[in-house]
Amino acid sequence: ILNVEQSPQSLHVQEGDSTNFTCSFPSSNFYALHWYRWETAKSPEALFVMTLNGDEKKKGRISATLNTKEGYSYLYIKGSQPEDSATYLCAFGHSGGGADGLTFGKGTHLIIQP
Amino acid sequence: ETGVTQSPTHLIKTRGQQVTLRCSSQSGHNTVSWYQQALGQGPQFIFQYYREEENGRGNFPPRFSGLQFPNYSSELNVNALELDDSALYLCASSLVTGRYNEQFFGPGTRLTVL
Repeated sequence: ILNVEQSPQSLHVQEGDSTNFTCSFPSSNFYALHWYRWETAKSPEALFVMTLNGDEKKKGRISATLNTKEGYSYLYIKGSQPEDSATYLCAFGHSGGGADGLTFGKGTHLIIQP
Repeated sequence: ETGVTQSPTHLIKTRGQQVTLRCSSQSGHNTVSWYQQALGQGPQFIFQYYREEENGRGNFPPRFSGLQFPNYSSELNVNALELDDSALYLCASSLVTGRYNEQFFGPGTRLTVL
């Protein structure tokens, strides 16, 4: 049984502050690591797909790093804004065709306080 | 480009009943996956359909079944509903040849079983 863990479970951050949270996953049979951003009552939105050890991806104020050898990924948000409030999910992909689906963590619920 | 849509948005059923949830894929996508998100958990993979056949399955009993149609839309059927089936059901579409199983999600159907 694959285990994907995210921490912290929830996070309150002041507007303008930077923050980061963690996703840990099995380091064996790694294929891809996905980050999603999920606002209440909307569809989960794909942020990054990361595949190579040492990968760093950036999208605006959000960036992510990947360490496949030790099985973790960090998501960073610089200068948090109220619109960053959402649940951030990571998901471990362990097959090319997707027949095994994605294995998700429980998410980090981020609240930005004005 | 039309995103993934799901219907209905919410529904309430009683224990023992049967339910059908529907999903329309993103334009051009040929693969559909279904996930169940119970309260406080991350989404869990139910199954995936490609070319109208089940292509992979998670740890769910046979009373969870699905269909994919020639236009790639899909249904999730659950028979003999149990209280624990209360959850958000997410549909995701992708290309089987797509980049690292990148999946695009709908907003979900909230099922309550009483």
